[in-house]
Amino acid sequence: GQQLNQSPQSMFIQEGEDVSMNCTSSSIFNTWLWYKQDPGEGPVLLIALYKAGELTSNGRLTAQFGITRKDSFLNISASIPSDVGIYFCAGHLMEYGNKLVFGAGTILRVKS
Amino acid sequence: NAGVMQNPRHLVRRRGQEARLRCSPMKGHSHVYWYRQLPEEGLKFMVYLQKENIIDESGMPKERFSAEFPKEGPSILRIQQVVRGDSAAYFCASSPWDRGPPSFGQGTRLTVV
Repeated sequence: GQQLNQSPQSMFIQEGEDVSMNCTSSSIFNTWLWYKQDPGEGPVLLIALYKAGELTSNGRLTAQFGITRKDSFLNISASIPSDVGIYFCAGHLMEYGNKLVFGAGTILRVKS
Repeated sequence: NAGVMQNPRHLVRRRGQEARLRCSPMKGHSHVYWYRQLPEEGLKFMVYLQKENIIDESGMPKERFSAEFPKEGPSILRIQQVVRGDSAAYFCASSPWDRGPPSFGQGTRLTVV
């Protein structure tokens, strides 16, 4: 079946550092979405990407939709303690209609 | 504008009982998705519904699980004869159009004892 590979699995960084995580797949995606999930809560949408090559920012977050439509990255600049959580990439697969598939998540921990 | 509402937030069932999970989508959203999440894992697609129609149920177990999204009322995920392996967080999401980014509810945490 289709796979979404998200890396790294976890990160432990110093407050103020920049963070980068990415997702890759062997399949082509129509959209790429990045969500954040806090403990005990549902995922919250951070950034949505719709076009190959698109680069979008939301405050300290920047994400890009890869040119090949098979990958995406998320950068967080100047991390702060409230950035702690699990970050998921997700995408609508071109050949699977509107099924939204998720990566396994990147656990972000910040040292203050 | 209320978000996606799921209830109950926590549900405890004994093995063999039925579990009913409810999801009210955001106002104006006619596309509903259900996902399951095991501890320390990502979200696994279960089913995609529009009003009165199941569009994609490729992620649903073949037995004991069913979902509906009636013309009136919330979407329901129903698990019959629950087993311990059904224990998980179940998330509902809704979107206003077929490729719109879904908004998620807070989830229902099912524990089977």
